[in-house]
Amino acid sequence: AQSVSQHNHHVILSEAASLELGCNYSYGGTVNLFWYVQYPGQHLQLLLKYFSGDPLVKGIKGFEAEFIKSKFSFNLRKPSVQWSDTAEYFCAVNVNSNYQLIWGAGTKLIIKP
Amino acid sequence: SAVISQKPSRDICQRGTSLTIQCQVDSQVTMMFWYRQQPGQSLTLIATANQGSEATYESGFVIDKFPISRPNLTFSTLTVSNMSPEDSSIYLCSPRDRHNEQFFGPGTRLTVL
Repeated sequence: AQSVSQHNHHVILSEAASLELGCNYSYGGTVNLFWYVQYPGQHLQLLLKYFSGDPLVKGIKGFEAEFIKSKFSFNLRKPSVQWSDTAEYFCAVNVNSNYQLIWGAGTKLIIKP
Repeated sequence: SAVISQKPSRDICQRGTSLTIQCQVDSQVTMMFWYRQQPGQSLTLIATANQGSEATYESGFVIDKFPISRPNLTFSTLTVSNMSPEDSSIYLCSPRDRHNEQFFGPGTRLTVL
């Protein structure tokens, strides 16, 4: 069965530090990849997505993610985090447009001011 | 992006009763997903509800406990039947648009006493 792994359940960083959150999936075929963010007390929002084309995808609020097919990975990055990036981040994958999203367990990110 | 509204936004219910959650989307969508999310955890898919067909339930969820209606392309309901405290959770409907993106609203926060 397909699965999505987010290796870091909790990450604590200081402001201006660089961020990389890992996401790996288990499926050998064509995938669509997503990162969602959930700020405290708010609903899930789409940060960025990858369907095809350039494997380096840029999203909102300065986030980007790189799809590395050979590593089955879609890691989320941000060069300099802000206190307002404190949130929970979810990686999700679907293997075709008619299939459900497979969700990672989420990574809670805390940015110290 | 689609705008989702759910009613009620929150409720406190007694054990053994049922609650119907309504989900209204501001655009026509074919695929609608119902999730629940325990505080601090990832999303668990309950069922997929496509207009014109029976809902498809995930392992661990049954129609008798979580009946779903999908009368048209902008509306769906989920009923949580014969509730117990273990059903306390946030329930989310999530439409998928024609670009294969899923959207989320604030959900329904259910507490069962």
